[in-house]
Amino acid sequence: NAGVTQTPKFQVLKTGQSMTLQCAQDMNHNSMYWYRQDPGMGLRLIYYSASEGTTDKGEVPNGYNVSRLNKREFSLRLESAAPSQTSVYFCASSELQGASDTQYFGPGTRLTVL
Amino acid sequence: AQSVSQHNHHVILSEAASLELGCNYSYGGTVNLFWYVQYPGQHLQLLLKYFSGDPLVKGIKGFEAEFIKSKFSFNLRKPSVQWSDTAEYFCAVIKTSGYALNFGKGTSLLVTP
Repeated sequence: NAGVTQTPKFQVLKTGQSMTLQCAQDMNHNSMYWYRQDPGMGLRLIYYSASEGTTDKGEVPNGYNVSRLNKREFSLRLESAAPSQTSVYFCASSELQGASDTQYFGPGTRLTVL
Repeated sequence: AQSVSQHNHHVILSEAASLELGCNYSYGGTVNLFWYVQYPGQHLQLLLKYFSGDPLVKGIKGFEAEFIKSKFSFNLRKPSVQWSDTAEYFCAVIKTSGYALNFGKGTSLLVTP
């Protein structure tokens, strides 16, 4: 099993450009999450999907949209990138919702917005 | 405000030294607790977790943590560190009614030969 995979690994954008970060898991997990990690800070939840067909905002959703394409895939879209969105983005998944289970993380996407 | 505090941001130890990393949280109600590790260039991996039961939990690679409810603490320990333990360590807390893991800012551990 590959676990949780993310593409791309690195990306540089100019302010105002758009892009989609892709995440897929092969563990048949129900719940998926997007976090961002900034220097000197822990991870913060952007959006999550408790189950296929549902999405909800986390702590820092502004400037992002998500799509739960199917049970395996959960994408994060930046419609108009801003320098404040420079960060490392982690996707995670868990078999059960939220606190009931362990979240497993992908390798991350390092995004720089100029 | 709800928060997770990790007391040490940078720790340098010699091989075979003992390790203790502090983690305190400020949440009302019942929580689940985790320690994750991020080795250089790799993704976050689960070291150990506490949901209920014995407050002393054992994880992978010889790590253990003790949940002290009265102190709102979940400190990570290892009796003898190795060079391969060089990594960043994150404490995370989630309310049993919640979805979001709330992470501390992390502790960077460097183990010197």
